[in-house]
Amino acid sequence: AQSVAQPEDQVNVAEGNPLTVKCTYSVSGNPYLFWYVQYPNRGLQFLLKYITGDNLVKGSYGFEAEFNKSQTSFHLKKPSALVSDSALYFCAVRVDRAGGGADGLTFGKGTHLIIQP
Amino acid sequence: ETGVTQTPRHLVMGMTNKKSLKCEQHLGHNAMYWYKQSAKKPLELMFVYSLEERVENNSVPSRFSPECPNSSHLFLHLHTLQPEDSALYLCASSLWAVRETQYFGPGTRLLVL
Repeated sequence: AQSVAQPEDQVNVAEGNPLTVKCTYSVSGNPYLFWYVQYPNRGLQFLLKYITGDNLVKGSYGFEAEFNKSQTSFHLKKPSALVSDSALYFCAVRVDRAGGGADGLTFGKGTHLIIQP
Repeated sequence: ETGVTQTPRHLVMGMTNKKSLKCEQHLGHNAMYWYKQSAKKPLELMFVYSLEERVENNSVPSRFSPECPNSSHLFLHLHTLQPEDSALYLCASSLWAVRETQYFGPGTRLLVL
């Protein structure tokens, strides 16, 4: 079975400072990793994903994430936080299923990111 | 967000009611999903459809009944729900391949009284 852990319920960062939202995963096989963001009363918006290749993935709104296979981590980062980055962030994983195809995603419980002016 | 739409956005129903949630995708995808988002719980996958065939059902109670008449539309029929079924129900779509990104709709906020 696959699982995702987001160890922090909430992360507080001052505007202009770098931010990191942590994610670790557990899978059997090669992982496909995703980050989504959710604003209040909205659905999930895709930020970025790691499939294969370069371990540093760049995504929307200046976010990036680094895939670390040895530490089974996929932390989300941004060099300079904005107040508008305040939201709920989800890490998710998927693995190849027998016969191919697209399983549903397994999500972490989410991390509230609060950027203070 | 206009790629995947969901109606209604809000729904209040009694435990004896029958209602349906609708999802429509305008992205040319061939896989669709239902997820449940409850307070203080991770998003839970409920159903997966590929090319209008259900390929996954995560032990969801029979009071939830999905329907996928074509690759653009997905329904979730609700019958005799319980108060603990109150949640945000999210629809998503993607191309049917493990590398593909799922795109989510805005969700239907359901309250069962």
